[in-house]
Amino acid sequence: QKEVEQNSGPLSVPEGAIASLNCTYSDRVSQSFFWYRQYSGKSPELIMSIYSNGDKEDGRFTAQLNKASQYVSLLIRDSQPSDSATYLCAVKNQGGKLIFGQGTELSVKP
Amino acid sequence: GAGVSQTPSNKVTEKGKYVELRCDPISGHTALYWYRQSLGQGPEFLIYFQGTGAADDSGLPNDRFFAVRPEGSVSTLKIQRTERGDSAVYLCASSLTPLIGELFFGEGSRLTVL
Repeated sequence: QKEVEQNSGPLSVPEGAIASLNCTYSDRVSQSFFWYRQYSGKSPELIMSIYSNGDKEDGRFTAQLNKASQYVSLLIRDSQPSDSATYLCAVKNQGGKLIFGQGTELSVKP
Repeated sequence: GAGVSQTPSNKVTEKGKYVELRCDPISGHTALYWYRQSLGQGPEFLIYFQGTGAADDSGLPNDRFFAVRPEGSVSTLKIQRTERGDSAVYLCASSLTPLIGELFFGEGSRLTVL
C-alpha cells in the first residue's frame, strides 16, 4: 500500500463547475496535510494546509480532513481554465518527513 | 535569497559519471528537503536535513546517492556512477522548521544520464 494515494486522473470539469480531488493516507499518526499545485514544467506550490478534522476554506478552495477515515480532499469552486494543473496531496509524519501522492491531473474546459 | 535556488538547472552526463546538484534554501529556513520527480509521478522523498544533520535519509535509493549540508544552509546532492534510471528532475525545498509543514520549492535540476 502506498503511503499517500490519489487517483491519477485526468479529471475533466467544465469551467464554473466544482472540482473534487481526493487523497487517502496510510500512516494513522500523520499530523499535517497539504495540497500543492504543479503546472506543467514547474515546481509544486502550496495552495492549502490543514491540520485538524473538518473543513478549511480559502477563497475558491476548501480542504477537508477526516483523520478517522484517513482521507483528505480538495474542492475547487467555480473552476477556471487557469486551475488546470496537477494537484499533489502531501502528508507529513511526526518525524517531519513529507510524502507526496502521485498527483491528480485536472483539466478545466472553457 | 528570496527563494530556493538550485544549480545547475540542467545537467546532461554520461552513464558512470559523478554528479553534484546544489541547493541554496531560503535564508533562515532550518529544514531542507530533496525529492526526485519522474514524468507523470509525484515527488519522491529522498532525504531531509534539520540544520546540518540528516534527520531522515530513508528515501535515498542506494549508496550511490549521498547528500550533505555542512554549515546548515547550502546542501549538495551527490550521485556516483550515474545510471540512466537516475534521469529525473531533482527538487529541493526548504521550510522554516520540519514541524511547520509548508515547503517552498526551487525550480529543480533536470538530470539526464545518457
